[in-house]
Amino acid sequence: QSVLTQPPSASGTPGQRVTISCSGSSSNIGSSTVNWYHQLPGTAPKLLIYSNNQRPSGVPDRVSGSKSGTSASLAISGLQSEDEADYYCATWDDSLNGPVFGGGTKVTVL
Amino acid sequence: EVQLVESGGGLVQPGGSLRLSCTASGFSFSTYSMNWVRQAPGKGLEWVSYISSSSRTIFYADSVKGRFTISRDNAKNSLYLQMNSLRDEDTAVYYCARDLGLPYSSSYDYWGQGTLVTVSS
Repeated sequence: QSVLTQPPSASGTPGQRVTISCSGSSSNIGSSTVNWYHQLPGTAPKLLIYSNNQRPSGVPDRVSGSKSGTSASLAISGLQSEDEADYYCATWDDSLNGPVFGGGTKVTVL
Repeated sequence: EVQLVESGGGLVQPGGSLRLSCTASGFSFSTYSMNWVRQAPGKGLEWVSYISSSSRTIFYADSVKGRFTISRDNAKNSLYLQMNSLRDEDTAVYYCARDLGLPYSSSYDYWGQGTLVTVSS
């Protein structure tokens, strides 16, 4: 059971917008910034969003992140087949005194 | 080009030990904090350990505290994870990951390809 709760799956057709939620508590999301990773099958995770809404160099602006209270969201607009992957949210947890990840969301492009 | 290459994984019996290595290149290794993150087969990501650039600050997940030891050799651009008293539940792909450097964060901007550790009798 993960400290951060994500839906196990999400899907959309090419060109659509998909949103993934990440729910936590006051000891994690409520008091720290959120990061998002995506992972293609058989490969290492890649940083997609850091500090709630910042994109590393090379990440397209159709990917965006937001945070409100104890929840965060990742949005992917203009969905493409290459977006089919697992997505994880992550943040620091004050109670556990360490980083925690969500359980992951598998995005399928229909 | 930033590269992180893990090695040292393999099959080990419960109670056994293994030492993972991560060799870095393409950046100034001695100025970055580093982490180990693992992923059990078919499961999600789990942070394992953190070490600051100078080795002065070290953190462990509760699940490995007292059994795993993280270390680094900046002269060799290398990160290590000594794993003792291994359990079945330690079976996972272990990734080394470079820390973005934000305080109390979980932001890792570069990852290695991972090395598989299998604990089984």
